[in-house]
Amino acid sequence: EPEVTQTPSHQVTQMGQEVILRCVPISNHLYFYWYRQILGQKVEFLVSFYNNEISEKSEIFDDQFSVERPDGSNFTLKIRSTKLEDSAMYFCASTERLGGNQPQHFGDGTRLSIL
Amino acid sequence: AQSVTQLDSQVPVFEEAPVELRCNYSSSVSVYLFWYVQYPNQGLQLLLKYLSGSTLVKGINGFEAEFNKSQTSFHLRKPSVHISDTAEYFCAVSGNTGFQKLVFGTGTRLLVSP
Repeated sequence: EPEVTQTPSHQVTQMGQEVILRCVPISNHLYFYWYRQILGQKVEFLVSFYNNEISEKSEIFDDQFSVERPDGSNFTLKIRSTKLEDSAMYFCASTERLGGNQPQHFGDGTRLSIL
Repeated sequence: AQSVTQLDSQVPVFEEAPVELRCNYSSSVSVYLFWYVQYPNQGLQLLLKYLSGSTLVKGINGFEAEFNKSQTSFHLRKPSVHISDTAEYFCAVSGNTGFQKLVFGTGTRLLVSP
């Protein structure tokens, strides 16, 4: 079964440094999402992306965050200047079609640790 | 806006016993409902979904859930659990129009012991 893959599985970074989290969505999927899960808390929506544009973003997704689809397969989340509170598990998800009834397929996540 | 409440943060149960994980939601519009499971060090895997039609939906691994609109609930059940069902279970909701994000509950950790 096709999978969403995320790299790296674990990223350790000094506070203030830039990080790029990478995702390869399922090949025929067109709609992409990032979520995060701070340890012990709920999974929270960050941003949705389609046709090289952000469709929706949460209040968490401030100017320090950006997303990009640099080529036909990758989908990245960049944090420009990391803060301690950015430490979390970051999940990428994708769907084939538009609509709330489309089940989102998740990757295994990237654990981001900010020191 | 939607919200999801999972009142039980942890549910301990013995192997082969039945289990119910509770989920209540709030929304001003019609919604779709999902249950996801997260095994240790893994991502979120879809267990089952309610989109429309029959209120009893069956998913993978012997799980089922019942949508109750009047009680705004979508409780997850399994008649007989296995050790391998030990995991975190998340209830989620999305709206029924356009480009809809998932709104998750805080999760319930199911602990199955021998």
